[in-house]
Amino acid sequence: DSGVTQTPKHLITATGQRVTLRCSPRSGDLSVYWYQQSLDQGLQFLIQYYNGEERAKGNILERFSAQQFPDLHSELNLSSLELGDSALYFCASSVDTGAGEKLFFGSGTQLSVL
Amino acid sequence: AQRVTQPEKLLSVFKGAPVELKCNYSYSGSPELFWYVQYSRQRLQLLLRHISRESIKGFTADLNKGETSFHLKKPFAQEEDSAMYYCALSGQYGGSQGNLIFGKGTKLSVKP
Repeated sequence: DSGVTQTPKHLITATGQRVTLRCSPRSGDLSVYWYQQSLDQGLQFLIQYYNGEERAKGNILERFSAQQFPDLHSELNLSSLELGDSALYFCASSVDTGAGEKLFFGSGTQLSVL
Repeated sequence: AQRVTQPEKLLSVFKGAPVELKCNYSYSGSPELFWYVQYSRQRLQLLLRHISRESIKGFTADLNKGETSFHLKKPFAQEEDSAMYYCALSGQYGGSQGNLIFGKGTKLSVKP
């Protein structure tokens, strides 16, 4: 167990809908990263938050947004869902070991858009 | 564009045989490279990173800037090494090292 908690584990919804995925980082980790894993694109970095502020953006669609709250948990909001948004969404938190950052991944949320 | 290529989707070897999982990258600056592993029903976890020049579970990886490669090697494979292995490159999006570009992964199967 990495200490990173993601809920829900599975989510089934319909096209056009909006969902929220939740991530609780390891105690003390200030950074949260969101990744999307799909069969065709593989693992893709979406967005990073550090201590409540957006730090970096990757291949995140405009229909997607995220935020990190004062207690450091993060939420990824996906709206106007399309079939192609079906994927496994991972969150990770990190600690700087002095030899660089080490990511700890959650078990993911499997999103199915029907 | 920055890219990580793992040419093999599946690699099957027998126990005790040497293993080499290939990874090539495309990056214009000084790369930071990692290997992540996902065992069956477990989370994705860091195996090793080039900056540490470490050996984890018998695995090593050397950064070859001339060949833009970061191949993962182990001299004698064990059945418990069976897993999905991902090579990753950091640094494209600035900021922290956790903004990674992952390869598509190689599934290693070690047969008894």
